[in-house]
Amino acid sequence: NAGVTQTPKFQVLKTGQSMTLQCAQDMNHEYMSWYRQDPGMGLRLIHYSVGAGITDQGEVPNGYNVSRSTTEDFPLRLLSAAPSQTSVYFCASRLTGGYSNQPQHFGDGTRLSIL
Amino acid sequence: AQSVTQLDSQVPVFEEAPVELRCNYSSSVSVYLFWYVQYPNQGLQLLLKYLSGSTLVKGINGFEAEFNKSQTSFHLRKPSVHISDTAEYFCAVSDRAGNQFYFGTGTSLTVIP
Repeated sequence: NAGVTQTPKFQVLKTGQSMTLQCAQDMNHEYMSWYRQDPGMGLRLIHYSVGAGITDQGEVPNGYNVSRSTTEDFPLRLLSAAPSQTSVYFCASRLTGGYSNQPQHFGDGTRLSIL
Repeated sequence: AQSVTQLDSQVPVFEEAPVELRCNYSSSVSVYLFWYVQYPNQGLQLLLKYLSGSTLVKGINGFEAEFNKSQTSFHLRKPSVHISDTAEYFCAVSDRAGNQFYFGTGTSLTVIP
């Protein structure tokens, strides 16, 4: 049971380049989310999804796009990378419905640097 | 909306001493409260959660937390820390729908031999 898998683990981009961060989970979790972690800022929610075909914005959605075509995958897209998007990105998932009080399972993160 | 404040960014403590990591939250609705731990270069792992009922919650690795509604606090405690407890600790809150999570800025716990 792999849990939440994020790829790549590290990436360096130039300003203006596009990039897709991959996230996959094998726990049949309906809810998936993306966070960015910055020093002194904690984790901030970028986008989330409560099921295939349904996405919504979190606290800091600007500059990021998401889609959810399957239950297992929830990719995060940077269409035109900016230095301000240098961060560590975490994907997380959990059950929904009557399990909304359940904690999220986190991936190991993607460390993204934008030059 | 909710918000979380972790009052201490860094907490050094000697091995086998007790520790308390402070967390205060603000919300106009009922919430769920969580404490997560993050070891270097890893994702977050759940330590404990408060959903309802008893205000004293016990978690893994000997940690516990107490929910205080009147003070809107959810402080994390451990009576005797070990070197292996050195990590970053995050307090988090979600509304009852569980769709939006808000994390504190984290407390770096360093256990000194």
